[in-house]
Amino acid sequence: DAKTTQPNSMESNEEEPVHLPCNHSTISGTDYIHWYRQLPSQGPEYVIHGLTSNVNNRMASLAIAEDRKSSTLILHRATLRDAAVYYCILITGNQFYFGTGTSLTVIP
Amino acid sequence: DVKVTQSSRYLVKRTGEKVFLECVQDMDHENMFWYRQDPGLGLRLIYFSYDVKMKEKGDIPEGYSVSREKKERFSLILESASTNQTSMYLCASSSLDWSSYNEQFFGPGTRLTVL
Repeated sequence: DAKTTQPNSMESNEEEPVHLPCNHSTISGTDYIHWYRQLPSQGPEYVIHGLTSNVNNRMASLAIAEDRKSSTLILHRATLRDAAVYYCILITGNQFYFGTGTSLTVIP
Repeated sequence: DVKVTQSSRYLVKRTGEKVFLECVQDMDHENMFWYRQDPGLGLRLIYFSYDVKMKEKGDIPEGYSVSREKKERFSLILESASTNQTSMYLCASSSLDWSSYNEQFFGPGTRLTVL
C-alpha cells in the first residue's frame, strides 16, 4: 500500500509560486512528513520536514493540513534550478517510505 | 562538505556474476541504507544498518545481502546477478542524533546493468 500519493508531474512558469500536493491519509501520530528532491543525475536531497505545524526554511515552505492527511510543499518563486522530482515521504523511526514523486518542469 | 560516495557510477555485469556495490560516508553516521530506484516505482529500501555488523531487511531484500564491517562503509552484494536487478542503486546515511531530524544524505547512485 502506498503511504503517500503525489501527482506524477506538474509545470510552473519561472518566477511563479508552485504548490506541490501530497496525500498521506494513513499517517500515524508519530510519522514525520519529509520532502526531498532529486535533481537530474543526482541522489535525493533534503528540502524540509514537519510534524504538525507549518514550516518555513530558505528553500521552501511546508503546509500541513489540520488532520495531517495531506501536505503541500510551496516553492515561493520557481527557478530553472528547481526542476526536479519532488518526493513526499513519511518517516517512521529510521525508515523512509518514498512515493513515486512529482516531476516538476519549470518553463522559462 | 558532507559526502556519501559510491564505488561506481555505471556498472555492467553478466547474469550469474557476484556483484559488490560499495558505499562510504565521511560523516561518522550510525545509519546507512541501500535503495533501488526504478521508473514508476520510486525508491525502495533494500537493507539498512544501525551499527557495525548490524543489518535489517527493508522492503525488497530478496536476492541481496549486505555487509558492514566498518562504520563508514556499507556494501551491497548481489550473490548471483539477474536481469531483473538492472536498476539504479542509491546509498544513504543518517545520524542517530535527534537534532539531525533523520536527514538522509544520498550518494550519486550506481546504474547497474545486468546482461
